[in-house]
Amino acid sequence: EAGVTQFPSHSVIEKGQTVTLRCDPISGHDNLYWYRRVMGKEIKFLLHFVKESKQDESGMPNNRFLAERTGGTYSTLKVQPAELEDSGVYFCASSQVRGSSGNTIYFGEGSWLTVV
Amino acid sequence: AQSVTQPDIHITVSEGASLELRCNYSYGATPYLFWYVQSPGQGLQLLLKYFSGDTLVQGIKGFEAEFKRSQSSFNLRKPSVHWSDAAEYFCAVAPTFGNEKLTFGTGTRLTIIP
Repeated sequence: EAGVTQFPSHSVIEKGQTVTLRCDPISGHDNLYWYRRVMGKEIKFLLHFVKESKQDESGMPNNRFLAERTGGTYSTLKVQPAELEDSGVYFCASSQVRGSSGNTIYFGEGSWLTVV
Repeated sequence: AQSVTQPDIHITVSEGASLELRCNYSYGATPYLFWYVQSPGQGLQLLLKYFSGDTLVQGIKGFEAEFKRSQSSFNLRKPSVHWSDAAEYFCAVAPTFGNEKLTFGTGTRLTIIP
């Protein structure tokens, strides 16, 4: 069974450009999460989808970030325009139905974003 | 608000030696605690989790962790480390059962020397 896959694995863009990160969760997982780790800091929650709906987007830093989840399958996270402080690793994670006994969250390998 | 502290940024141990990684949390209610590991070039992998019951939790790869409510700690241990254990380790807390909005610590990087 395929795990959580993220694309691209690495991206280097100039300040002011746009980048779109994609996440394919494990098949059948309704919950999809985005997290981010800025250099040297802790991993922080960005937002949570349940199927195609945004359940919690309290961690999104500002309106330059837009997340979508088309048809409740894959998700994209767009940063437009990118700023230097957006550099970091963006993790996607998925899990089965919330509230299930001992939910395990499966993380992807991350998308490493460098803004220069 | 909940928080997690991992006081050790970097730890170096010899292969075969024992390991303990520290994690302290701050949360008003019963926490749900996790340890994740990120090996080079890999994603975050769950090592173990604590929801309730026995305070000594066994995980994968020979790791265990002990929940101590009186010390607000959830330290990770392994009796004998292997070179393949070199990685970054993250402690995390969730606010409620089944809520995966995790709060992570800053991580501890583990280096293994021969």
